[in-house]
Amino acid sequence: EIVLTQSPGTLSLSPGERATLSCRASQSVSNTYLAWYQHKPGQAPRLLISDASRRATGIPDRFSGSGSGTDFTLTITNLEPEDFAVYYCHQYGGSLPYTFGQGTKLEIK
Amino acid sequence: QVQLQESGPGLVKPSETLSLTCTLSGASMSSFYWTWIRQPPGKGLEWIGYIHSSGTANYNPSLKSRVTIAVDTSKNQFSLRVNSVTAADAAVYFCASGGWSLDLWGRGILVTVSS
Repeated sequence: EIVLTQSPGTLSLSPGERATLSCRASQSVSNTYLAWYQHKPGQAPRLLISDASRRATGIPDRFSGSGSGTDFTLTITNLEPEDFAVYYCHQYGGSLPYTFGQGTKLEIK
Repeated sequence: QVQLQESGPGLVKPSETLSLTCTLSGASMSSFYWTWIRQPPGKGLEWIGYIHSSGTANYNPSLKSRVTIAVDTSKNQFSLRVNSVTAADAAVYFCASGGWSLDLWGRGILVTVSS
């Protein structure tokens, strides 16, 4: 099973700043099959990025994903108030089970 | 607007079966994959398994002996059954579209396990 470790656990920033979220895998993720989701309390999680760097439909270009192998990054530039949420990475390459990171909480400083 | 909505009992007794349904509205289920995920209180997300609209399913090996996912495309629904539940099965259960990246999620349903 691939274990995904997200860091930091909590990130405190102000609107307008840049957020860099990390997701590290315990072994290489096949074909960069890694996604990022945004989750706000009481709402459905939302797909932001698939295949490590492909923005989902309707996602603003201030969200970008990068990485390969075992190290992946979600970058959010020019933070908007609605961006403060919990972010999860998710790998879906290789053998089952697919797994998620434990999440990074992005909070307003 | 395309939406997914989970439904089912919010309380299940230990050793009994948890049964949930996910209903898709605004689109057809045909030729696609559908996934269940759960999140125990205070913990991370756990992938449970997925099913194709044809009926082929794959499960998390840690749950495989107790879990069944089924699909009914005529009703635009897919379902989850977890047998012999314990306190460890208490969680918010989410359904989602997709078998790999998950394009659309439901809001989730809280299931408590208690006698």
